[in-house]
Amino acid sequence: DGGITQSPKYLFRKEGQNVTLSCEQNLNHDAMYWYRQDPGQGLRLIYYSQIVNDFQKGDIAEGYSVSREKKESFPLTVTSAQKNPTAFYLCASSRTSGGAGTDTQYFGPGTRLTVL
Amino acid sequence: QQQVKQSPQSLIVQKGGISIINCAYENTAFDYFPWYQQFPGKGPALLIAIRPDVSEKKEGRFTISFNKSAKQFSLHIMDSQPGDSATYFCAPLDRGTTTDSWGKLQFGAGTQVVVTP
Repeated sequence: DGGITQSPKYLFRKEGQNVTLSCEQNLNHDAMYWYRQDPGQGLRLIYYSQIVNDFQKGDIAEGYSVSREKKESFPLTVTSAQKNPTAFYLCASSRTSGGAGTDTQYFGPGTRLTVL
Repeated sequence: QQQVKQSPQSLIVQKGGISIINCAYENTAFDYFPWYQQFPGKGPALLIAIRPDVSEKKEGRFTISFNKSAKQFSLHIMDSQPGDSATYFCAPLDRGTTTDSWGKLQFGAGTQVVVTP
């Protein structure tokens, strides 16, 4: 059963704490992405990675960090520097080569982070 | 800068009616125009997509109309059903300045569609 898993589904954090959101995929995709979704807004790109051991900042990378040590895993750390971290976080993956089908991103079920 | 403008913000339609959502864009380098569907508490999923060499694509009750000169594309949901109640996003693809075959999606703000029984 191929797909993307994110954990935990709900996460609560106290102010000043770092938290790490997990994202795992078994689709054998090279590219992985992290998005943030706020009510009434579209998805905004935080970080993306085209290949293992390489990643680039998206549009709203401040206060976040990522790693890509394995092809199937792309964890996101929300640091205490992120001023307004309460949001719905979505991980996605896609192919990067092979013509048709490279344009489709497949999303996980999301993690809802709440800062107390 | 806002590259993609989606309208309306929300839409209520009766069962059996037609839902129409519009997306306007500025970046002429976009070359793939998908619509994603998202149910509450879930991740988005690709619904239907079109490439700029055609003006219309239909899959079941869902149709994309594409107007390259006007830099607009729209989603039409025919015979709307309560199960279609969801948020819909246009998300044209930006390949940037590389020759890679993949790129980054630029999401619109979303349209919440409610289909009443």
